Amino acid sequence: AQKITQTQPGMFVQEKEAVTLDCTYDTSDPSYGLFWYKQPSSGEMIFLIYQGSYDQQNATEGRYSLNFQKARKSANLVISASQLGDSAMYFCAMRERGTGRRALTFGSGTRLQVQP
Amino acid sequence: DVKVTQSSRYLVKRTGEKVFLECVQDMDHENMFWYRQDPGLGLRLIYFSYDVKMKEKGDIPEGYSVSREKKERFSLILESASTNQTSMYLCASSLHSSEETQYFGPGTRLLVL
Repeated sequence: AQKITQTQPGMFVQEKEAVTLDCTYDTSDPSYGLFWYKQPSSGEMIFLIYQGSYDQQNATEGRYSLNFQKARKSANLVISASQLGDSAMYFCAMRERGTGRRALTFGSGTRLQVQP
Repeated sequence: DVKVTQSSRYLVKRTGEKVFLECVQDMDHENMFWYRQDPGLGLRLIYFSYDVKMKEKGDIPEGYSVSREKKERFSLILESASTNQTSMYLCASSLHSSEETQYFGPGTRLLVL
């Protein structure tokens, strides 16, 4: 089974609107971290936001927020007030701490296009 | 700011050539990682290193080796490049095991002819 599932290969949003990018994960480890990265066409992966499995509140970073629903095992990224510069690939990732694995496991990504 | 650099943005090699991809980080991070990225598959871990001369295989190590002689530098080696190794290669680093956020380099797009 896939550890990280991003079901939206592509999304369109109008400039200034909010958009939600979906991410579901699969783990039996009670301790894990969830991440979102942005990859513009230049190729570099840019860290956006982090949520720990024991964090009580949803993470927020500027226009980015993470809608963390632990029971549903979902960690959706919400981008408010979309800008043209938000057009990029977005990847959800997870680190399972109990396994000792230090690397992240990534989803297949969602390509977001912001339209003027 | 953390800076992770990769030696080449684009590389074209021929089948059978030995290929070196270099990665350098300037923040004294313990952990360094090599991923490859292919469309529809996200990023997959090839190898990682948690200290000088220490390395562990990732999910797809076949056809690759790595070297970490200095803390700041992590090299990915394709001993005999093949066309199925045409991909985007991303290097990342993180501070230590309890600091999980990984910082990525700009990537190397490798084409093997």
